[in-house]
Amino acid sequence: QVQLQESGPGLVKPSETLSLTCTVSGGSISTYYWSWIRQPPGKGLEWIGYIHYRGSTNYNPSLKSRVTISVDTSKNQFSLKLRSVTAADTAVYYCASLPPIKGSTTYFPDWGQGTLVTVSS
Amino acid sequence: SYVLTQPPSVSVAPGQTARITCGGNNIGSKSVHWYQQKPGQAPVMVVYDDSDRPSGIPERFSGSNSGNTATLTISRVEVGDEADYYCQVWDSTTDHPVFGGGTKLTVL
Repeated sequence: QVQLQESGPGLVKPSETLSLTCTVSGGSISTYYWSWIRQPPGKGLEWIGYIHYRGSTNYNPSLKSRVTISVDTSKNQFSLKLRSVTAADTAVYYCASLPPIKGSTTYFPDWGQGTLVTVSS
Repeated sequence: SYVLTQPPSVSVAPGQTARITCGGNNIGSKSVHWYQQKPGQAPVMVVYDDSDRPSGIPERFSGSNSGNTATLTISRVEVGDEADYYCQVWDSTTDHPVFGGGTKLTVL
């Protein structure tokens, strides 16, 4: 079990870029995959994308054109950038661990506490 | 893309058994994972691989999966179990996770 902590601005202006970082502690980032998930106020969970510590990524098709996830193994961190944000991107953003696929499945055992990002001028 | 369907809400009295369903096409062929999310908190995994419990999760939480429906069962429901519950599977055709829409459990 690892601990995750999101950090970044809580307010972003429309059309600008949302940037968040997740710091992993209690274990090495060079093990699992790592994911971002968001939750608009009062709504369900939406997967954004994930990254392997070696840098390969996979994104939600609905966000793919605006999302970049990167990893910095020297700092045990991974990051999210979401470009051209609108009010619809207002949400609590969570980072989570994602163990390697085994038997055609995997899940999210560890989550950060989440950080609310509001898109507003 | 694969779709998971959950009822928006389930209500149960304390001490009774709550059953939260998650429907999907031939979901019985997939492994289903369940998360509990209390207000203002991050989700916590309560069942993985259909019926296994992470350490620290009470035995009152159990899961099953067959055909087109997976079920999270909470026995001897407590007021503290009131939360939103989400099911999740892995879509191996896209290597994407899929979440259900969530079910709000109300303990009357």
